[in-house]
Amino acid sequence: DSGVTQTPKHLITATGQRVTLRCSPRSGDLSVYWYQQSLDQGLQFLIQYYNGEERAKGNILERFSAQQFPDLHSELNLSSLELGDSALYFCASSVDQNSPLHFGNGTRLTVT
Amino acid sequence: GQQLNQSPQSMFIQEGEDVSMNCTSSSIFNTWLWYKQDPGEGPVLLIALYKAGELTSNGRLTAQFGITRKDSFLNISASIPSDVGIYFCAGRSNFGNEKLTFGTGTRLTIIP
Repeated sequence: DSGVTQTPKHLITATGQRVTLRCSPRSGDLSVYWYQQSLDQGLQFLIQYYNGEERAKGNILERFSAQQFPDLHSELNLSSLELGDSALYFCASSVDQNSPLHFGNGTRLTVT
Repeated sequence: GQQLNQSPQSMFIQEGEDVSMNCTSSSIFNTWLWYKQDPGEGPVLLIALYKAGELTSNGRLTAQFGITRKDSFLNISASIPSDVGIYFCAGRSNFGNEKLTFGTGTRLTIIP
């Protein structure tokens, strides 16, 4: 158990809808990262937060947004969903920006 | 941006065989990490490397930080069935707020 908690585990929704994925980092970790993994693909970096502030952005679509709250949990919002957004979405956390990342078990999003 | 080439893409081996995989980068990294991902789960950190030339072991796993700082190797000795999964390398340059870049993964299958 990595200590990173992601909910929900599975999400099935229709095109055009909006969903929110939630992540609780390991206790004491200030950095939160979001990654997308499509079927049999690698991990694509979306966005990073450190202590509530956005620190780095990857290939995140404009339809997607995220935030990190004062209690350090994070949410990833995906809107106007398309079939191609179906993927595993992972959250990871680390103590600081130079430490290894520890991953949650992901949210599997299926858009129908 | 930074690119990580991981090879081989997949490996089919027999139980008891040794395994080698590697990652090469188009630029210099200051940190190399190796992760393993089981089906339906998040990547789990195996080994972290922080110095060029560093050789680190974790049980039957051994990883090395290449002298050029542009590559890293992971070896698994005497493979067992639970070694099956996808192995990812990841690197970070640590110049500014550089994100962690992941390789494309090596899928390890053990033939009965």
